[in-house]
This record gives sequence, structure tokens and C-alpha cells, in this order.
Amino acid sequence: AQSVTQLDSQVPVFEEAPVELRCNYSSSVSVYLFWYVQYPNQGLQLLLKYLSGSTLVKGINGFEAEFNKSQTSFHLRKPSVHISDTAEYFCAVRDGSARQLTFGSGTQLTVLP
Amino acid sequence: EAGVAQSPRYKIIEKRQSVAFWCNPISGHATLYWYQQILGQGPKLLIQFQNNGVVDDSQLPKDRFSAERLKGVDSTLKIQPAKLEDSAVYLCASSFLTGDYNEQFFGPGTRLTVL
Repeated sequence: AQSVTQLDSQVPVFEEAPVELRCNYSSSVSVYLFWYVQYPNQGLQLLLKYLSGSTLVKGINGFEAEFNKSQTSFHLRKPSVHISDTAEYFCAVRDGSARQLTFGSGTQLTVLP
Repeated sequence: EAGVAQSPRYKIIEKRQSVAFWCNPISGHATLYWYQQILGQGPKLLIQFQNNGVVDDSQLPKDRFSAERLKGVDSTLKIQPAKLEDSAVYLCASSFLTGDYNEQFFGPGTRLTVL
């Protein structure tokens, strides 16, 4: 079964600083990879996804992620964060043959003024 | 376009009581999912419907949880009787059924507290 590890449960960062949220998954032949954001008292919103093609994926709100097959990683980055980016971020993986998404345990990003 | 609707948003019950959650997916979405999100964890799939049929319920605790989607549109998830460990946010999501990947759109969730 697929598993997803988000190495940092909490990441505090100052406004306008860069940030990287780390995600590793267990190896598989082919995977689809996703990052979701969850604001307080709201559902999950898709930030970006990797299905195939270019390993650098750009998403909404200035976020991007890079798929690294050899390291089985899909780290999320943003060059300059805003207060409004404060939220919980979830990495998720779907095997090519599986029907369901497997989520990591989440990273709480807190942007400080 | 209206999003996924869920009700109630919050529910507090005592253990051994029953509770039901309702979900109305985005119009035209054939696939509906129920997830359980325990505090500090990522969402875990409980059950997936395609139209009114069950595709995957392998992680649904069937001794106490049940779900239905009788007309292939809205859905109800029930817990009977509830246990303390059922305290969680219950998320509903929906997607079209086309191609190899279908983006899931999530509702705001129902926060259940079992005392």
C-alpha cells in the first residue's frame, strides 16, 4: 500500500521569506501527486498536481512543486510567502492503478509578520 | 458553480448515540467520497460511490458506519452507535468520472465531537 510522509508537522516562517514543505512517498511504478491546502474550518483545495510530463509543476497562489522520481519526493515551494498563506498543507498520492488518494499527515504553515 | 454542500457543520453527541451527516455533491459529478480526518492526521477514505453503487468501502467500519447514495446524487453517512474515537471532521468530496484522473472537490466538512 502507498504511504506518504510529510517530514515537518509545523513550519513557521516570516512574511516574504521563502518556504519549502517536504513530502516523500513510498515507491511505485507510476504515481499521481498532489498538494492540497486547508484553511481553518474549510475543506481541502487543490494547489497543484503532477500527472506526467515536466517535473516542475506550477500551481495557484505562486506555489510550485518538483517531482523527483529517484528520491520519491514532491516538495512544495514558494519564493515569498504572505500572511494569507497560513494554513495546513497536505501532500497526497494516487497509484496509477489505485482508485483512492493517500494523504500525508499535513504541515501547518504559519507566516509571521 | 455551487460547491460541495455538507450539513450539519458541527455536531456534539454522547457516546453510544447515533448521528447522520448529509452531502450534496457538485451537479453532474458521478463519484462521491466520504473521508474521516482525525485531528493531526490527513484525510482517510471511508467510502467511494460511483453513481449509486459502492466502488470502495474497504476502510469503512461496517459494524457501526453505514452510507448510502440511493438516487446517485446526495449521500448520507451514519454512525450508530458512536464511540469516542469517532471524533473527527467528516469530509465529503465529489468528482467527474472521466479519464485516468478526476480532480476531487471537497466540502467544508462536519466536525463531530463525541463526549
